Amino acid sequence: GENVEQHPSTLSVQEGDSAVIKCTYSDSASNYFPWYKQELGKGPQLIIDIRSNVGEKKDQRIAVTLNKTAKHFSLHITETQPEDSAVYFCAAPRGQGNLIFGKGTKLSVKP
Amino acid sequence: NAGVMQNPRHLVRRRGQEARLRCSPMKGHSHVYWYRQLPEEGLKFMVYLQKENIIDESGMPKERFSAEFPKEGPSILRIQQVVRGDSAAYFCASSPRVREDTQYFGPGTRLTVL
Repeated sequence: GENVEQHPSTLSVQEGDSAVIKCTYSDSASNYFPWYKQELGKGPQLIIDIRSNVGEKKDQRIAVTLNKTAKHFSLHITETQPEDSAVYFCAAPRGQGNLIFGKGTKLSVKP
Repeated sequence: NAGVMQNPRHLVRRRGQEARLRCSPMKGHSHVYWYRQLPEEGLKFMVYLQKENIIDESGMPKERFSAEFPKEGPSILRIQQVVRGDSAAYFCASSPRVREDTQYFGPGTRLTVL
């Protein structure tokens, strides 16, 4: 079955710096990789996702890259702002429709 | 366009009572997923339902837990005879189709068992 590993578990950056979070997966048949942002006391919010027919996708300050050969994908946040502080989760599909999540990365952006 | 709705947002139960958590998917979505999140941990899949059908319940404990998604009305996650270990945040997500389709999450129900 699919397994997802996420690193680092915590990440602290200065405002304006870049942040990178990496995930690896085990099932080579997986073709869809979403990233979610979760603020304290709230539900996960989809921020970007990528499908295996592309290697990179960008949305303003957020980008995701995918390496299918190495079975890893990464979230890149540029020009970080204090409001980017949250827990970020990567995920991959497993079974008939559910997602398996990484354990999360707590990002702190210091002003 | 309303997102995924969950209620109640907070639920307190004493050991042995029943907890009922409700989820209304986004308009046009017929697939519902329930996940559980323990404090400081990631989300764990529990059950996947379509209207009137349970598609995958491999993540749900076999005892005390049940889920349904009737033809009319919200999806319900029911926990009977709650224990302290059931205290967690329970999230519902919905999608318009199946595998590898985007899942949108609700705000969650935070269950506290006293």
